[in-house]
Amino acid sequence: KAGVTQTPRYLIKTRGQQVTLSCSPISGHRSVSWYQQTPGQGLQFLFEYFSETQRNKGNFPGRFSGRQFSNSRSEMNVSTLELGDSALYLCASSGAQGGNTEAFFGQGTRLTVV
Amino acid sequence: GENVEQHPSTLSVQEGDSAVIKCTYSDSASNYFPWYKQELGKGPQLIIDIRSNVGEKKDQRIAVTLNKTAKHFSLHITETQPEDSAVYFCAGRRGGTSYGKLTFGQGTILTVHP
Repeated sequence: KAGVTQTPRYLIKTRGQQVTLSCSPISGHRSVSWYQQTPGQGLQFLFEYFSETQRNKGNFPGRFSGRQFSNSRSEMNVSTLELGDSALYLCASSGAQGGNTEAFFGQGTRLTVV
Repeated sequence: GENVEQHPSTLSVQEGDSAVIKCTYSDSASNYFPWYKQELGKGPQLIIDIRSNVGEKKDQRIAVTLNKTAKHFSLHITETQPEDSAVYFCAGRRGGTSYGKLTFGQGTILTVHP
């Protein structure tokens, strides 16, 4: 079974630009969550999508948004990039059905804002 | 909201020794506590988890204990090996529709010296 796939693995963007990251969950999983990882703040929850609907949201500004497609693939978008947005962005998928709700992470997308 | 505190931030042991990492949580509604191992350049990997209706769980050299009354849980690694060197994260999560949202501790850098 293929794991969680995130693309691209690395990105360099200029301040003020926008960026879109992609996440393909494990086959059959319907929940996709996004996290930002930085040395200073650790792993912080951005949002979660389930069946194409945002179900949970963290404490990030509106510049951070996401969506989920009918095949459960998800994208997150960051507009008007700031230097502080440089981070590893991780997505996690889970089965979200019954008791099998373990979350499995992808390798992440390393975003550098210059 | 939920807060998870993790200690120590760094831990250095000799190969063959045991390692213990401790976490406390604030949200009494949390009922699921996973542990993740993150190696350099990779996403977090789920190594063991425990649910609130269980006090202890063991998987080979790894064990987790949970004290719901005191709101703390611990990771125990016995007979440590150099390949156990990594960053370890604990996390907590509520049930219901919040199960896409994990709150992470700050991480513990474990170094196992040969």
